[in-house]
This record gives sequence, structure tokens and C-alpha cells, in this order.
Amino acid sequence: DAMVIQNPRYQVTQFGKPVTLSCSQTLNHNVMYWYQQKSSQAPKLLFHYYDKDFNNEADTPDNFQSRRPNTSFCFLDIRSPGLGDAAMYLCATSGDRGRTTEAFFGQGTRLTVV
Amino acid sequence: AQKITQTQPGMFVQEKEAVTLDCTYDTSDPSYGLFWYKQPSSGEMIFLIYQGSYDQQNATEGRYSLNFQKARKSANLVISASQLGDSAMYFCAMRVEYGNKLVFGAGTILRVKS
Repeated sequence: DAMVIQNPRYQVTQFGKPVTLSCSQTLNHNVMYWYQQKSSQAPKLLFHYYDKDFNNEADTPDNFQSRRPNTSFCFLDIRSPGLGDAAMYLCATSGDRGRTTEAFFGQGTRLTVV
Repeated sequence: AQKITQTQPGMFVQEKEAVTLDCTYDTSDPSYGLFWYKQPSSGEMIFLIYQGSYDQQNATEGRYSLNFQKARKSANLVISASQLGDSAMYFCAMRVEYGNKLVFGAGTILRVKS
């Protein structure tokens, strides 16, 4: 059974039209991550939550926002998608045992901007 | 700051032979965890193996082992008896004790030849 679920798997949006990607988890993990991954590149951390504490990466554009209304759900909002935002977006969760806990990933949402 | 370096963009290995994928890291935190993930062309991120900074022995998981050399700050992944299904992108990642941030290296594409 899938433990980290991302919806939708594929999303096509228009240039400049706000879009929301969702992630849910059944693991009750404290930590949730959002990564952007472009073709053949490493996942780039956009932000992460420890419970409701939000941690934004310094180089994450303001165009990217996130919400975590409860432990199970986390959303990535792209306010005005540009062509350069086309990528795979990965959500991951982790327990709060510091360094020792691996992250569990969803299957990703592939975003296309037209 | 945490940094992961993977210097091999691509590797080839003959089926049934062993292969080593390199990973070096940098952190000032004495307590950290190192992870290897496999990403097939389908895009899912699969956890393979974990090594803690205080672990005395190298981690092993089936055909995967981690050659951990703390003084050199390296954590190379060894895959024994390569299989065609091992063809994928492999990422080394690190998480330090405090902060929950999980960062990835650039990745190595492995191709197993029959």
C-alpha cells in the first residue's frame, strides 16, 4: 500500500495560471519535504516542514509556496508557473529521529507548463 | 552547510560483476546519516541503504554495501552481482542530526550490460 501519495501524477497547467500539487501520507511522520527535480538532475529541496514549522530554502523562488494543514497533508502552490517550472515534483516524509531516518517518497507529480 | 558530491555522471558495468559508485560529503556536524537511493526511469525514489556517522561497521543490505571511510568523508555504494534491473540513476544523500534537511548529490547513471 502506498504510504506517500501525490496527486495528480501528471499535471498540465497554463503559463501564469496558479496550480496546486498535493501530497498525503499515512506514516504519521513529522517531517515533510518538497523537491523539484528536472530531467537527469538531482532533486532540489524547495522547503520542508517539521510538524508545522516551515523551513524555506534560501534559493526557493517566492513563486513557490506551501501549506501543511495537518500531519497527513501538504500542498505545493505555484502562484504563476513559468516554462522553467516544468519538472517532476517529489514529496517525501521522514520520522523525527534526526539523522537516522530515511525519507519515503511519493511517486511524484510531473508538471508541464504550456 | 551540507554538501554531497558524486563525480561519476555515468557508469557501465557488465551483468554479474560488481560496481562501485562514489560519494563524498562535507559537513561540520559530527552526527549525520548517509543514504543511497535508486531512481529508475519510472521516477520513483527507492531507498537502498543507510550509514550513520557513528556506526562502527559498514552497512550492508543484500547486494548493496556501503564502503564508509569517515576520515576521507566518503560513502561509496558497492553493488555486487549486477543485474539488468539495476540500471537506474543512483543518488547519495545526507541528513545531519539537527535540522532534518535531506540533501542529494548530482547522481550517477548506471547502465548494466548483458
